[in-house]
Amino acid sequence: DIQLTQSPFFLSASVGDRVTITCRASQGHRSDLAWYQQKPGKAPKLLMYATSTLQSGVPSRFSGSGSGTEFTLTISSLQPEDFATYYCQQLNIYPWTFGQGTKVETK
Amino acid sequence: EVQVVESGGGLVQPGKSLRLSCAASGFTCGSYWMTWVRQAAGKGLEWVANINQDGSDKNYVDSVKGRFTISRDNAKNSLALQMNSLRAEDTAVYYCARLRHGEGGFYGMDVWGQGTTVTVS
Repeated sequence: DIQLTQSPFFLSASVGDRVTITCRASQGHRSDLAWYQQKPGKAPKLLMYATSTLQSGVPSRFSGSGSGTEFTLTISSLQPEDFATYYCQQLNIYPWTFGQGTKVETK
Repeated sequence: EVQVVESGGGLVQPGKSLRLSCAASGFTCGSYWMTWVRQAAGKGLEWVANINQDGSDKNYVDSVKGRFTISRDNAKNSLALQMNSLRAEDTAVYYCARLRHGEGGFYGMDVWGQGTTVTVS
């Protein structure tokens, strides 16, 4: 199985900060990597797919990059509604796997 | 409005069965791969199973193989997850989701339901 390890586990940040979350894969795979945002008690929301393609309706302050075994999600200027937990997911090799999540909290 | 709505969750004893349903609306379910994802309380997301448009291709995480069966009824725009031989570790919120899929592969789960809670105890 491909293990996805996100770092950091927790991130304390302020509104306006640039935030970067890293997702490292235990083995290289194609760019079938997606990012999701989840708020407490809610279903996840797709932010990014194919590593760097923004899902329709998602603000352009979100961006994704990477290849092989290292991928990143960047929020260029953190907004109040961005405090949430973020997950990466690989959809290339079965079983599909998610990272353990990164919780972005207010500093 | 494009949406999926799950139902069928509940409290069930270990070893028993439960069938989850997912009703799709606002889009033609039969045009999409569909999937189930679960999340134990306070834990991360775990992909459970997916199914292609005509039901001929199904994939499962190892922990549910032989116990869970994903199926669909395109005429009813619906998806199901039959869960047999349930274990305490199957306790979770189960989400139904639509998969984006194209020539380049899978593009993520773009429509999610609100989830249905399964408790095995």
